[in-house]
Amino acid sequence: NAGVMQNPRHLVRRRGQEARLRCSPMKGHSHVYWYRQLPEEGLKFMVYLQKENIIDESGMPKERFSAEFPKEGPSILRIQQVVRGDSAAYFCASSTSRDVSGWGEYFGPGTRLTVT
Amino acid sequence: AQKVTQAQTEISVVEKEDVTLDCVYETRDTTYYLFWYKQPPSGELVFLIRRNSFDEQNEISGRYSWNFQKSTSSFNFTITASQVVDSAVYFCALSGVSYNTDKLIFGTGTRLQVFP
Repeated sequence: NAGVMQNPRHLVRRRGQEARLRCSPMKGHSHVYWYRQLPEEGLKFMVYLQKENIIDESGMPKERFSAEFPKEGPSILRIQQVVRGDSAAYFCASSTSRDVSGWGEYFGPGTRLTVT
Repeated sequence: AQKVTQAQTEISVVEKEDVTLDCVYETRDTTYYLFWYKQPPSGELVFLIRRNSFDEQNEISGRYSWNFQKSTSSFNFTITASQVVDSAVYFCALSGVSYNTDKLIFGTGTRLQVFP
């Protein structure tokens, strides 16, 4: 499967636990984006990363949320001490740099987080 | 500021009808990209089209066509001879070309229901 991969697809956590969401970009893509979709709403940008660097985290809540994209391995979105309001679908997208022909953001299938 | 407006929250049509989904955007960038994505009931996001701001040619792909008009800041999407499988939420999105971010700004989506 050459597409963006996310796991797990579904994640259930109790209030106060930690949630770790993983994203493996498409082959050849070095840019990763995380978006959140609350129930019945559109997608909201959270964070944009390149390998080992956070480029734009303007959409990420200041507390409890963090993201990384290490040199090796998938990008991780980490939510500490989850609350019910964190229940949402979290989508990862990846892309090449803009100067590459066919540039665009390609989305993974999403991780649906439910906080009980 | 960048903004995408999809004024139509929900549209219902009967199979074989043509339907147009509206998208109006705001941006100060002179160079930008516009996208349409489809989100079927299964929840994944399917990339449909990317258009850059310098290319105002309309595009047709099978039953899908897009009308980009810079003068009215609109990027409308038409489905000809709609089918039940077209039932989904459709999102329009904008990405400006700025120094440090390629993030997408999404509209709130239009839910299309096609009845047999």
